[in-house]
Amino acid sequence: AQSVTQPDIHITVSEGASLELRCNYSYGATPYLFWYVQSPGQGLQLLLKYFSGDTLVQGIKGFEAEFKRSQSSFNLRKPSVHWSDAAEYFCAAGTGGGNKLTFGTGTQLKVEL
Amino acid sequence: GAVVSQHPSWVICKSGTSVKIECRSLDFQATTMFWYRQFPKQSLMLMATSNEGSKATYEQGVEKDKFLINHASLTLSTLTVTSAHPEDSSFYICSARAGPGTDTQYFGPGTRLTVL
Repeated sequence: AQSVTQPDIHITVSEGASLELRCNYSYGATPYLFWYVQSPGQGLQLLLKYFSGDTLVQGIKGFEAEFKRSQSSFNLRKPSVHWSDAAEYFCAAGTGGGNKLTFGTGTQLKVEL
Repeated sequence: GAVVSQHPSWVICKSGTSVKIECRSLDFQATTMFWYRQFPKQSLMLMATSNEGSKATYEQGVEKDKFLINHASLTLSTLTVTSAHPEDSSFYICSARAGPGTDTQYFGPGTRLTVL
């Protein structure tokens, strides 16, 4: 069965520190991969996506993610976290970008000032 | 561009009543819309896929007679929760894609449904 796993339910970092959110997937083939951010009571905003090509993808708000086929991972990173980055982050996968997505359970990010 | 809206943003209703939620693509034509449900502090679970002009495809375990989906135009899909009960209280989110082969879904801001 297709699945997306985000091992960390909660992560707390200090403002200015680096961040890495983990995401692992289990799919029959290399899926399309996405990271979304959700602020409380809001919908989802796309941070970045990977379909093929360069395995390091750049997104909005200074985020990047690296696709590692050997580890079935697509971890999200940011070199220096801002207080406004506090939110819920979801990793998602699909067989095509416009097709139905399977979401991970999310990682709640807290930023300490 | 690529804005998706939902209306209402929140709704409170009595048990046994029906509630309609609208999902609109404001600046593009959406041949496919998806409806998700999100329980507090949980992930999004796909409920159904809605294609313009055809019947929606429901995920396993989703009651199609309870969650009626209509996608009558390229910019509007509606989800009607019929005979709502407190266990239907949730955050409902729609997404839309422009057409087959397009690679991105755009999400609406969600609708908070509370059934008393």
